[in-house]
Parts: sequence; structure tokens; C-alpha cells
Amino acid sequence: AQTVTQSQPEMSVQEAETVTLSCTYDTSESDYYLFWYKQPPSRQMILVIRQEAYKQQNATENRFSVNFQKAAKSFSLKISDSQLGDAAMYFCAYVRYQLIWGAGTKLIIKP
Amino acid sequence: DSGVTQTPKHLITATGQRVTLRCSPRSGDLSVYWYQQSLDQGLQFLIHYYNGEERAKGNILERFSAQQFPDLHSELNLSSLELGDSALYFCASSAAGTGFGNTIYFGEGSWLTVV
Repeated sequence: AQTVTQSQPEMSVQEAETVTLSCTYDTSESDYYLFWYKQPPSRQMILVIRQEAYKQQNATENRFSVNFQKAAKSFSLKISDSQLGDAAMYFCAYVRYQLIWGAGTKLIIKP
Repeated sequence: DSGVTQTPKHLITATGQRVTLRCSPRSGDLSVYWYQQSLDQGLQFLIHYYNGEERAKGNILERFSAQQFPDLHSELNLSSLELGDSALYFCASSAAGTGFGNTIYFGEGSWLTVV
């Protein structure tokens, strides 16, 4: 069965610095999709970034980028120039036939 | 604004009661998903409907039921409510089924408090 693991329950970073959130997954499939969602204190779920497994190029959205290592089954999220508004829970998700969620990483931004 | 509309936003009810949560998916989306999120917990998948048919069922209690109507809106019915049912209930939608890798868009959630 597919699983998604976020090994860091909580991380903190100084404002304006860079932080990387880790996500690993287990699957025997070759075609699938990966997502990072952000959940700020308002509790709304917001899509951050989407990666298609058949694309080798890492997805990027402004200050957010991923390091997708297909062979290692790793999908980390890098946030550059961290801002106070980035403070949130971040969830990694895998989808092929089912959507599988990680447990989340709480990101704290220190001013 | 994700385009997914959930009502009500907040609901307080007593144990033993029954409530209905409503979801309107984004225009054109055929899939609707329901999730439960308790305080400081992750997302618990409840159920997935695609174009009116149940596609997948997660850890949904027998006291809970859902349906998707011909106009594609969905309702989640929670009955014989217990204190532990207090949670944020999310509805999400996507264009097709999850196997197509479509992005899933979430509503703002319905906060249910059982007292």
C-alpha cells in the first residue's frame, strides 16, 4: 500500500531564511502526482505546488520549489525568503488511484 | 477563493442530534471528497463521490452517510452525534477522479461542535 511520511512534526526558521520540509513516499507505481498543501491558522487548505512524476523538472511557484527525487521517492519542499505568512501546517500528498496524505509538518517562522 | 462552497461554516449541536453539511463543488468538477480534521490532527478521508456514484470510502462511521446529487452538490449527514465528532469537516472537489492527478480544491470547511 502507498504511504506518505513527513518525518518532521515541527520545524522553525528565521524570517527571510530558507527552510526545507521533507516528504517521502512508498509506491510501486511509475506514474503519479505529488502535492504540497498549506494550512494556515485559518485552517483553510491551500494548494502550494504540484508535481507530475513523469516530469523530471522540479516544480516551482515563486518562493516555493520542490526537490523531486523519483528513485529515492522523496519530495521535499523548499521555501525561500521565509515570511511570517508562511507559518502553517504543510501537508504532502500522493495520488495515483487514491489520495494519500502525510501527517503534516508545522512550520514556525521566527521574526 | 477555491470555488468550493460549504455550508454552514459553523454549527453547534447537542449529543445525539443529526446534522447535514452541504457542499457545492467548483463549476465543472465531477468529484467530491469529504474529510474530517480534529484539532491538531491530520486529514481523515471519509468518502469520495464521482458524478453521483460512490468511488471510495475511508474511515467513515456507520452513523455518517453522504450522497452526491444530480446537480453535483453533495451532503454529509452525521447522526447520533457524539462529543468526539467535533471537528472541521472539509469538502473538496476535482475535475475528475484522483487517478487523473487533478488538483483537489478545498472548501473553507464546516466547523462542528458537539456539546
